Amino acid sequence: EVQLVESGGGLVQPGGSLRLSCAASGFTEYTFSDYWLLWVRQAPGKGLVWVSYISSDGTTTNYADSVKGRFTISRDNAKNTLFLQMNSLRADDTAVYYCVRDAWGPDYWGQGTLVTVSP
Amino acid sequence: DVVMTQSPLSLPVTLGQPASISCRSSQSLVYSDGNTYLNWFQQRPGQSPRRLIYKVSNRDSGVPDRFSGSGSGTDFTLKISRVEAEDVGIYYCMQGTHWPRTFGQGTKVEIK
Repeated sequence: EVQLVESGGGLVQPGGSLRLSCAASGFTEYTFSDYWLLWVRQAPGKGLVWVSYISSDGTTTNYADSVKGRFTISRDNAKNTLFLQMNSLRADDTAVYYCVRDAWGPDYWGQGTLVTVSP
Repeated sequence: DVVMTQSPLSLPVTLGQPASISCRSSQSLVYSDGNTYLNWFQQRPGQSPRRLIYKVSNRDSGVPDRFSGSGSGTDFTLKISRVEAEDVGIYYCMQGTHWPRTFGQGTKVEIK
């Protein structure tokens, strides 16, 4: 069974930093290193918004305008782990952050990790 | 980015009655390989999204056959033939043809 387990969320002050991790397991037909991955966030009571994505080998990355220059996505294919380094956090970054596998569109989602930016 | 527009945004339904959700994309979702990568997800309260339908009309394993997807090009529909209590939640369409992946606003299905 595919599992994506996020960690690293929490309460942080505006201007602070957090590093999210996503540990993947249970990939059967193809391995972790075959998949593009995304971070998607959901602010309280709101819809789903893509934050960033990364190619299977890590050479291609992209960011939503709202986080460009502040967030950095990366991956360690040897450890089946995805990361999101978040700097200069703002109140409007408050959300549940999901790690998502992409197979011609999102298929599996983690349970999410809550990031709260507040004084 | 491809804009995904769902309607309605709120859908009160009587148990046992059908429900239908529309999703429209700002660009064609037909990929160069001929496939159309339009997926539907269900998000129950307090849970992560779960994929129900992929490539317009293919049900994922374990998804009840009361769920069906249809459409082509830029217009798509998710139908629930007879709504059950466990179907309460928010339904999202998502496209997997273009980067970045984008999502509809979500349709909240509730029981009348």
